[in-house]
Order: sequence, then C-alpha cells, then structure tokens
Amino acid sequence: GQQLNQSPQSMFIQEGEDVSMNCTSSSIFNTWLWYKQDPGEGPVLLIALYKAGELTSNGRLTAQFGITRKDSFLNISASIPSDVGIYFCAGPPIQGAQKLVFGQGTRLTINP
Amino acid sequence: ETGVTQSPTHLIKTRGQQVTLRCSSQSGHNTVSWYQQALGQGPQFIFQYYREEENGRGNFPPRFSGLQFPNYSSELNVNALELDDSALYLCVAGYNYGYTFGSGTRLTVV
Repeated sequence: GQQLNQSPQSMFIQEGEDVSMNCTSSSIFNTWLWYKQDPGEGPVLLIALYKAGELTSNGRLTAQFGITRKDSFLNISASIPSDVGIYFCAGPPIQGAQKLVFGQGTRLTINP
Repeated sequence: ETGVTQSPTHLIKTRGQQVTLRCSSQSGHNTVSWYQQALGQGPQFIFQYYREEENGRGNFPPRFSGLQFPNYSSELNVNALELDDSALYLCVAGYNYGYTFGSGTRLTVV
C-alpha cells in the first residue's frame, strides 16, 4: 500500500530555532494534512493542503504542498516549548477516500 | 476538548480475551473511523462506519469488528487478543478531512 516517509525521525533543537521537516511518498497525493500529537492525546490537525504548490500558514507554522504532489514540508519558526510533540503527515491514498495514511512521525524535542 | 469521547482511557487485558472500546461524538457525525497506533508509529486505519454500515476496511483481520449506533456512537470489538494488539486505539469523527480525533484508549495485552 501507499506509504508516507517522514524525515527526520527526531529533532533536538534549542528554543527559538526554526524547524523544517518533510514527508515524501512514492505515489501522488491530492491532499496533505499535518497533525501534532501530544503525549496521551490524539492527533490534532494543524494544516490542510489541497492544491499542488499551495503554501499555507497557521501562526508560526507554514506548510507547502509539493509541486510533484509526492511531497510536503512543514516549517515552524521561532520554536517554543509547547511545540514539543510528534508531527505527522497524512493524506487520503486515493481521491475522495475517507481513510488516511500516516507517516511514522517526526519527534520534536526542544531544549530551553 | 475535541468533542470526541473515548472510553475507557486505559485498559489491560490478557491474551485471548475480548475487548470493547467505545467512542461518542458531541456533534453527532454520521461517519466514524477507527485507527490503531502502535508505539512509535503513525496511526493505521482499521475501518470506517457511515450511517451504521461498514464503509471501508484496512488490513486488519476479522477479529477486529465494529458497530455504529443510531446516535452515531461507535464500538470497536477485538476478539482473541494478541500481544501485538497492544496499542493506542483512536476514534475519528467527521468527514471531508475535518477529522477530529479522540484522545484514544490505551490497550495493553499481557
């Protein structure tokens, strides 16, 4: 089945630094979703992307839908302690599918 | 508060037993999906229910079954539990990618 590969798997940064992570697929996705998961909680949707080349921001978060439709990027500017968590990319494997395929996550740790 | 409530929050079962997990949505979405999230992995789709009918299934054996009720609450049942069934089970209410996840049920099989 379709798989999403996220990199890096983990990041250790200093508070205030910018963060970049990405997600790639061997097949085309028509929607890209970025989630954050805190310990003991379910994933929370951060940004949804629906069009190739689309660049969308949500506060300090910016995500882009790659032109090839096989990748997406998430950037976090000026990281703060509450950004700690696991970030997942996800998408429906086929157009209109309601199920989501998830990447394996990028774990972000911030040193104060 | 996501508006999606799952119960119980934690559960310990013995291998071979059966378990029922529950999910309800404040908004009464007519679509509910269940995901399994093993430790250190992303969630994996188990199945989806739409208006009380199964509407898609992932790569999970038949011992994983579900129900959706007229009030759109839902159950996930797992028979003959195996050690590898230990995971966080997430319920998702909604459609059109307005996915609202519950906080999950942490199942440990010993």
